[in-house]
Amino acid sequence: EDKVVQSPLSLVVHEGDTVTLNCSYEVTNFRSLLWYKQEKKAPTFLFMLTSSGIEKKSGRLSSILDKKELFSILNITATQTGDSAIYLCAGEDNAGNMLTFGGGTRLMVKP
Amino acid sequence: NAGVMQNPRHLVRRRGQEARLRCSPMKGHSHVYWYRQLPEEGLKFMVYLQKENIIDESGMPKERFSAEFPKEGPSILRIQQVVRGDSAAYFCASATNQETQYFGPGTRLLVL
Repeated sequence: EDKVVQSPLSLVVHEGDTVTLNCSYEVTNFRSLLWYKQEKKAPTFLFMLTSSGIEKKSGRLSSILDKKELFSILNITATQTGDSAIYLCAGEDNAGNMLTFGGGTRLMVKP
Repeated sequence: NAGVMQNPRHLVRRRGQEARLRCSPMKGHSHVYWYRQLPEEGLKFMVYLQKENIIDESGMPKERFSAEFPKEGPSILRIQQVVRGDSAAYFCASATNQETQYFGPGTRLLVL
C-alpha cells in the first residue's frame, strides 16, 4: 500500500522566519512528488518534482526531491502571514494521475 | 480510525455507460469534497457537500455529472453517459468543518 507521511503536523512561526516542511513517501512505481497549498477550497499546485537533487524555486518557496532516501522538503523563506495554510504533498505513480496524499502540515505565520 | 474510503479504486466503463463513485468520509466528518485530476493537470474542485446538501457545485460540469451525500451512507459522484474525456482520477476529501481536508485514495476511471 502506498504511503506518504508529512511532518510536522503543525507549525507556528513568526513573520520573517524560514520553515522547512518534510514529506516522506513509499509509492510503488513512483513517478513524481507534488506539493500543494490549501487555503480555502481546492489545493493550489506548487511544485512537481521528478528528478533527484534538482531544486525547484518559485519566489520564496523552494523544494527538492531525494529519490534515494524517498523524501522531499518544501522550504519557505521570509514567511508572511499569507503563507498560513495547509501544505500537502502527494506521490504520483507511474500509471498516471493517481495520487497518494500525506496528511498535510498546517502552517500558521503570526505577524 | 479508518481514513477516507473510496471505491472502487479502478473503474472501467464503455462510452455511454454510467459511472458511480463512492466516498465514505472519516468518522465524524460531515463535509465532503470531490476533485478531479486530469492527466498532466492539478486537482480541480468539483463539488462540496454537507449531509443532504450541496453547498458549492461551481466546479461540476453542468450536464451528466451529479453528486449526493445522503443522511445515511457514502457520498456518490455519478457520471451519466460517460465519454472518453471523463477518464481521470477522482478524489474525495472529508472534513469536520471547512478546514483540514483528508483525502481518500482516489478512483481511477477509464472510459473505453
